[in-house]
Amino acid sequence: QQQVKQSPQSLIVQKGGISIINCAYENTAFDYFPWYQQFPGKGPALLIAIRPDVSEKKEGRFTISFNKSAKQFSLHIMDSQPGDSATYFCASHAGNTPLVFGKGTRLSVIA
Amino acid sequence: NAGVTQTPKFRVLKTGQSMTLLCAQDMNHEYMYWYRQDPGMGLRLIHYSVGEGTTAKGEVPDGYNVSRLKKQNFLLGLESAAPSQTSVYFCASSFRFGVPQHFGDGTRLSIL
Repeated sequence: QQQVKQSPQSLIVQKGGISIINCAYENTAFDYFPWYQQFPGKGPALLIAIRPDVSEKKEGRFTISFNKSAKQFSLHIMDSQPGDSATYFCASHAGNTPLVFGKGTRLSVIA
Repeated sequence: NAGVTQTPKFRVLKTGQSMTLLCAQDMNHEYMYWYRQDPGMGLRLIHYSVGEGTTAKGEVPDGYNVSRLKKQNFLLGLESAAPSQTSVYFCASSFRFGVPQHFGDGTRLSIL
């Protein structure tokens, strides 16, 4: 049973555009929602995270939007750059259980 | 400060052979994890550890064993490698349980 559904699988965005990746979860016990960024040949890196008591968190060009009632959250990358081309994973965490990952979105930012 | 170091980086095995993947972290993290990454499958947790001398099964533990004899090291063993275990293996560590903060750069394992 997939507890975190991530879409799209792949995304192509023009340089300067907005990249949007969406995730939906099922378990209402989840209370922490991180995003990871992975470049080819490297391990994932923790990028940004949000708790359900806020609806938005922004760090530089990266913003998480959170909709608790819809059980959805999304990553927005503003002014997307070729250097943002990577695979992005959303994830969800609850209490004393391991993190649950989405299956990833491969982002390509083209000039 | 090296973070999380995995060895080896690449390995080719024959079916039935055994090997151990090594993971070392220098951040004094209590929690460590082993994941495998396959195309279209995302990251799947194999085993994890909540402290020295303790290990627990993750989502896909079959065919693997682990040990955490020292806090800084977490070993992943394949006793009898199978082609289905061809994958990229990542080790990670964290202060907070369940949420990996730092990943190694992976071990690319091919089993023929």
